[in-house]
Amino acid sequence: QSVLTQPPSVSAAPGQKVTISCSGSGSNIGNNYVSWYQQLPGTAPKLLIHENNKRPSGIPDRFSGSKSGTSATLGITGLQTGDEADYYCGTWDSSLSGVVFGGGTKLTVL
Amino acid sequence: QVQLQESGPGLVKPSQTLSLTCTVSGGSISSGGYYWSWIRQHPGKGLEWIGCIYYSGSTFYNPSLKSRFTISSDTSKNQFSLNLSSVTAADTAVYYCARVRRVGATTFFFDYWGQGALVTVSS
Repeated sequence: QSVLTQPPSVSAAPGQKVTISCSGSGSNIGNNYVSWYQQLPGTAPKLLIHENNKRPSGIPDRFSGSKSGTSATLGITGLQTGDEADYYCGTWDSSLSGVVFGGGTKLTVL
Repeated sequence: QVQLQESGPGLVKPSQTLSLTCTVSGGSISSGGYYWSWIRQHPGKGLEWIGCIYYSGSTFYNPSLKSRFTISSDTSKNQFSLNLSSVTAADTAVYYCARVRRVGATTFFFDYWGQGALVTVSS
């Protein structure tokens, strides 16, 4: 049971938009910055979004992040088959004094 | 470009100690400003943060895990390491090392990751 809650899977057609939610509490998302990671099959996770909505250099602007209260959302527009991956949210939890992750969401591009 | 590479045995016997090393290139672990971390992923499961070390040597760990983990560093080799004692089959996982950006008490994220090392615990 992960501290942060994500839907197990989402799907959409190529070219469409999808959002992935990440729900937490006041001790984690509510008071700390959220990051998002993409894990392509058989590879290591890769940072997509940090500090709620900032993209590292090299990450296309098709990827966006937002936060409201104790929930965060990853948005992906112009879906490509290469976007098929597992996506994880993560943040610091002030009560647990540690990093917590969501359980991951598998994106299928139909 | 910072690169991290895990190394260590792929097979460990139950009750023994798992030892992994992460070699960092393209940046110095002793330059400050960054933490260095270990994360693991059980087969088919999500990510689990293990702990971190700072260049000063200070460490902190996931309080949800039992205290079998030890993270250390060797700045002369630009490496940091993970030891896990008394392993069981439940410790079979891919172990990742990563660089951490931590700003104050509210910002903590992993900006560079190693490729991962699969460790299997079996007799």
